Amino acid sequence: EVQLVESGGGLVKPGGSLRLSCAASGFTFSSYSMNWVRQAPGKGLEWVSSISSSSSYIYYADSVKGRFTISRDNAKNSLYLQMNSLRAEDTAVYYCARAEGGSYLGYWGQGTLVTVSS
Amino acid sequence: QSALTQPASVSGSPGQSITISCTGTSSDVGGYNYVSWYQQHPGKAPKLMIYEVSNRPSGVSNRFSGSKSGNTASLTISGLQAEDEADYYCSSYTSSSTPLYVFGTGTKVTVL
Repeated sequence: EVQLVESGGGLVKPGGSLRLSCAASGFTFSSYSMNWVRQAPGKGLEWVSSISSSSSYIYYADSVKGRFTISRDNAKNSLYLQMNSLRAEDTAVYYCARAEGGSYLGYWGQGTLVTVSS
Repeated sequence: QSALTQPASVSGSPGQSITISCTGTSSDVGGYNYVSWYQQHPGKAPKLMIYEVSNRPSGVSNRFSGSKSGNTASLTISGLQAEDEADYYCSSYTSSSTPLYVFGTGTKVTVL
């Protein structure tokens, strides 16, 4: 069974940093591109970042480019999102999601809440 | 690149059929057969319901079907049931590297 479990969320002050993790199991992690998608309270889904299976290709939404860094450790079956210079508008539930052939997101974790507030 | 356009809400009675539209551009919905649909119950993670316009993942009821015409994709739920009450989001691969995936604005489905 495919499982994605996010962790690392919490309350952080504006300008602060946070590192999210996503532990994957039940599939060959190193064979899939992975993504982070976020959802602000009461709002819709927003794609944040994507990383290819070997980390060769990395993409970011314009809203986080230069502040967030996606990475992965295939030996540890883990995906990460380093978030720096956090803003109030980054407050959201952050989901990790597995890409299927690059065209859709087939499996999602349960999400971790990030709150940016003073 | 803007979010795909969906109606804010759609409602129907049990047993009826409803259709949710998702309008994009030739750079996303119209340019690729890579439209997907997600169901999200309150406080839960999104769940894939349809991929590549009209394909259902294993385990998803055949009451859910998808289609596309030009720049508009559609999700139809037939034989509406109480458990179908949720938010639904469409998504499309895009020709741009940012965003790599664009989501719809979301539709709240209410079962009357």
